[in-house]
Amino acid sequence: QVQLVESGGGVVQPGRSLRLSCAASGFTFDYYAMHWVRQAPGKGLEWVAVISYDGKNKYYADSAKGRFTISRDNSKNTLYLQVNSLRADDTAVYYCARGAEAVTTIFSWAFDIWGQGTMVTVSS
Amino acid sequence: EIVLTQSPGTLSLSPGERATLSCRASQSVTLSTYLAWYQQKPGQGPRLLIYAASNRATGIPDRFSGRGSGTDFTLTITRLEPEDFAVYYCQQYGSSPVTFGGGTKVEIK
Repeated sequence: QVQLVESGGGVVQPGRSLRLSCAASGFTFDYYAMHWVRQAPGKGLEWVAVISYDGKNKYYADSAKGRFTISRDNSKNTLYLQVNSLRADDTAVYYCARGAEAVTTIFSWAFDIWGQGTMVTVSS
Repeated sequence: EIVLTQSPGTLSLSPGERATLSCRASQSVTLSTYLAWYQQKPGQGPRLLIYAASNRATGIPDRFSGRGSGTDFTLTITRLEPEDFAVYYCQQYGSSPVTFGGGTKVEIK
């Protein structure tokens, strides 16, 4: 079935780095834009970044610019988020979500498939 | 950036009652009305309910409906079922950055 499974979270010290992964299955991965969204404990949803179906276009939230890098490997049906210089306020569950089809613009499609998330805790 | 304000923060209702959730945007969402609603239960990822303000996503029961345009949007649940008690978020996805409202928690009275 259509599925997204995140991994790579854990407890990390401030200033360190982490790479999150999102494995897709059940659909044609390289036909869709993909997003990362995070949720701090007890808080709401915050969009982080999006990458186009072919990896050529990327957009970031202001909170992610300069420290986060979104990428994808369509041969492995996998989405990534490299997070550097982690801070305490990066502590959150990180979700990947499916976005726009290739034939449409990135910002024209709701997020119709979500994973269960991977928890990142930044603490010394 | 489009700021979305949801109200009320918490809605206390009984099963079978009608729920009306509001989402107001700080500026007009694009003409194609790129406004969505999601449901989230504890420990789970969000689930898409409504897209383009009024279209139900695949598999969503018809007791869920959305309406609105411009800056004011509403999600209505006509008769609450036990599984509907959850947190609901609105989202605009028509421009960068994508933004979410702060959420409305629908709890059992």
